[in-house]
Amino acid sequence: ETGVTQSPTHLIKTRGQQVTLRCSSQSGHNTVSWYQQALGQGPQFIFQYYREEENGRGNFPPRFSGLQFPNYSSELNVNALELDDSALYLCASSLSSDTGELFFGEGSRLTVL
Amino acid sequence: AQSVTQLDSQVPVFEEAPVELRCNYSSSVSVYLFWYVQYPNQGLQLLLKYLSGSTLVESINGFEAEFNKSQTSFHLRKPSVHISDTAEYFCAVRRAAGNKLTFGGGTRVLVKP
Repeated sequence: ETGVTQSPTHLIKTRGQQVTLRCSSQSGHNTVSWYQQALGQGPQFIFQYYREEENGRGNFPPRFSGLQFPNYSSELNVNALELDDSALYLCASSLSSDTGELFFGEGSRLTVL
Repeated sequence: AQSVTQLDSQVPVFEEAPVELRCNYSSSVSVYLFWYVQYPNQGLQLLLKYLSGSTLVESINGFEAEFNKSQTSFHLRKPSVHISDTAEYFCAVRRAAGNKLTFGGGTRVLVKP
């Protein structure tokens, strides 16, 4: 059984640029959530996708957007990058949108210069 | 809205000594409670969870946590730690009918020989 995989593992961008992070869900999981973990802090919920539709959103501006594809893989897009966007971005998949255990990937570490 | 407070940001402990990591939460509705562990340069792994039933829950590697509704706490304990327990530990809550995990700020455990 393949776990949650994320790419890229590390990347560096400059302010104002755009970034796309990718996530492949664990086999059979139809729900994907994204979290932002700033250095020294706990993860914060960005949004969740269930069957290709956004199904809950945290306190993040609209320049954070996402997609979920028919194979349940997902993308997180961030436009107009700011220095404070530097963080570890974690993807988690689950079997259902409201009761399933979350399985996390190892994250994509974004540095904004 | 829910919130989680982990009172200790760092806990140094000697090998084979006991450890307790404190977690308090606030919520106006029923919640599920979780402890996650994050080893260096890795994603989050579920350590244990409380959904309902017995208020004492155990993990396979010797950790246990007790849900105390009156004190709104979910402290994590291990009677004898190993070097391999060195990691960051996150307490998290989720509404019983919801899709978002709210994490505490984490407690870094450093096990010394």
